[in-house]
Amino acid sequence: DGGITQSPKYLFRKEGQNVTLSCEQNLNHDAMYWYRQDPGQGLRLIYYSQIVNDFQKGDIAEGYSVSREKKESFPLTVTSAQKNPTAFYLCASTLAGLPDTQYFGPGTRLTVL
Amino acid sequence: DAKTTQPTSMDCAEGRAANLPCNHSTISGNEYVYWYRQIHSQGPQYIIHGLKNNETNEMASLIITEDRKSSTLILPHATLRDTAVYYCIVRPYNDYKLSFGAGTTVTVRA
Repeated sequence: DGGITQSPKYLFRKEGQNVTLSCEQNLNHDAMYWYRQDPGQGLRLIYYSQIVNDFQKGDIAEGYSVSREKKESFPLTVTSAQKNPTAFYLCASTLAGLPDTQYFGPGTRLTVL
Repeated sequence: DAKTTQPTSMDCAEGRAANLPCNHSTISGNEYVYWYRQIHSQGPQYIIHGLKNNETNEMASLIITEDRKSSTLILPHATLRDTAVYYCIVRPYNDYKLSFGAGTTVTVRA
């Protein structure tokens, strides 16, 4: 079955530690995205990538970093510079940026203690 | 910069039509209107999109005003499973950047 996997589902880290969230897709989609969602809030775009080895900042990129070395993988690192990292993180992908083909992963809930 | 304005929340009775408004007064000629919904703790799901004509699919209907400054998503017979946050987004069709706003929390009541 094609889809997007994110791991782990729940993640706990101590304040000041960097943490990397995994996102893998086997849909052969070109574009991948990372969003952040806080309780009761909408999704906010962190980073997106149209193609391998290229990515752009979204609306709230500060304190985050990404890489796109392979078409199927788009890991997100939450650095210690991110002031409020506790949130629900969602990864998504689309075929050539077409929003009617957008699929989302199940999400990772990160809690920084 | 907020491109769309939606009510924060609305209630709907089960079995009745749910009409969700969205204002997009600064929409450009090449921008489409997209609707997604997010059921609690899941990723958003694409519903429908349109440019200027009304659109219908198995999930919903989209009515866009003639001046394109607003639109309405219609869920014809709301069920309890339609309880979700609904997002209205405007963007060019092939623009890779996909940003979501706060959306409308729709609660369908029995």
